[in-house]
Amino acid sequence: EAQVTQNPRYLITVTGKKLTVTCSQNMNHEYMSWYRQDPGLGLRQIYYSMNVEVTDKGDVPEGYKVSRKEKRNFPLILESPSPNQTSLYFCASSYSGGGYGYTFGSGTRLTVV
Amino acid sequence: SQQGEEDPQALSIQEGENATMNCSYKTSINNLQWYRQNSGRGLVHLILIRSNEREKHSGRLRVTLDTSKKSSSLLITASRAADTASYFCATDYRGSQGNLIFGKGTKLSVKP
Repeated sequence: EAQVTQNPRYLITVTGKKLTVTCSQNMNHEYMSWYRQDPGLGLRQIYYSMNVEVTDKGDVPEGYKVSRKEKRNFPLILESPSPNQTSLYFCASSYSGGGYGYTFGSGTRLTVV
Repeated sequence: SQQGEEDPQALSIQEGENATMNCSYKTSINNLQWYRQNSGRGLVHLILIRSNEREKHSGRLRVTLDTSKKSSSLLITASRAADTASYFCATDYRGSQGNLIFGKGTKLSVKP
């Protein structure tokens, strides 16, 4: 089944403790992206990647890192999480960016205390 | 922000009625897409309409695009309780490098 898989689904962590949210797609998509969703603010893009080793900042990149060493994986790294990063995170992939529909993962609900 | 803006923010209808949601955007686009999100779940792609298209259908969905008014509408006909969800428009702006910009969504409630 074609899908984007995010892990974990839920995560509670403490301020400052490094964490990684994994994202993997099995559709050989070139384009991958991370969004965060907050009430009243909608979906905001954090980082995106046009292909392997090509990443760029979205609208809200502060406090996040990404890497794209393989086509299928696009992990999101929070080096020192803070409470304002408490949010619902989504990974998405597309054959080639916005000219095609995105396939979204099921989301990761992160709470930073 | 170059976000699309959906209208209304919330819509409540009875099963069997039609639901219409609107989206306005600010600059020239390559295409506009509509997505559905069930509570707290991932977004699901519904339909994509390109800038040179005016109307598109998919099952009970009808999407129109008016580039002169920079607006789009999503019509769901004969709605069902299972259509209860949030609906988002997303725009692929010219020069955006393929990044979709999402609006804040319309929350649709379909009562049985």
